[in-house]
Amino acid sequence: GIQVEQSPPDLILQEGANSTLRCNFSDSVNNLQWFHQNPWGQLINLFYIPSGTKQNGRLSATTVATERYSLLYISSSQTTDSGVYFCAVELNQAGTALIFGKGTTLSVSS
Amino acid sequence: NAGVTQTPKFRILKIGQSMTLQCTQDMNHNYMYWYRQDPGMGLKLIYYSVGAGITDKGEVPNGYNVSRSTTEDFPLRLELAAPSQTSVYFCASSYSPPGQGYHTGELFFGEGSRLTVL
Repeated sequence: GIQVEQSPPDLILQEGANSTLRCNFSDSVNNLQWFHQNPWGQLINLFYIPSGTKQNGRLSATTVATERYSLLYISSSQTTDSGVYFCAVELNQAGTALIFGKGTTLSVSS
Repeated sequence: NAGVTQTPKFRILKIGQSMTLQCTQDMNHNYMYWYRQDPGMGLKLIYYSVGAGITDKGEVPNGYNVSRSTTEDFPLRLELAAPSQTSVYFCASSYSPPGQGYHTGELFFGEGSRLTVL
């Protein structure tokens, strides 16, 4: 099956710092999404981004489908950004579903 | 508009007991999913459904069953609970235009159900 690798596994930042999270995948995909799981376990969809670049406030994401990777940028990090960031992808074929990477755990301290 | 609702939020089972985790969505989404998340790990797909009457296995289907008799509901059944099924279970849903051949919708999650098997 498709492999999804996220890096780094853990990241510790001071408030105000910037960071880049990476997601590599092993096959062609037609669906790629980024999620944030907050410390209470709630999963929130950040971006639906099978290709191209999107921005939402301090967060932005870029997917280069031909090179099989996606990047999530967090600028001016805040303590509320802490949690786990997951990348999920779906193969470019009918009848499949989103497969998740193991996530990047981000801790932002004040 | 409640989104994706899961019940119960917490449950403790004894080995060998059975139970059903309920999931309902009110967004008229055609796709629904069950994932499990073990401590410190990512989400593993258990089962999914692309529409009423259609279900398919995910990465870790053993020990579970599902049904999809309506668009809104997608219950997950554990027949003989085992300690290895201790986990947090998430239901999710999304929408893709029918007949497109692949899935394009954003995924929306329920709040999770924490299950402990002792």
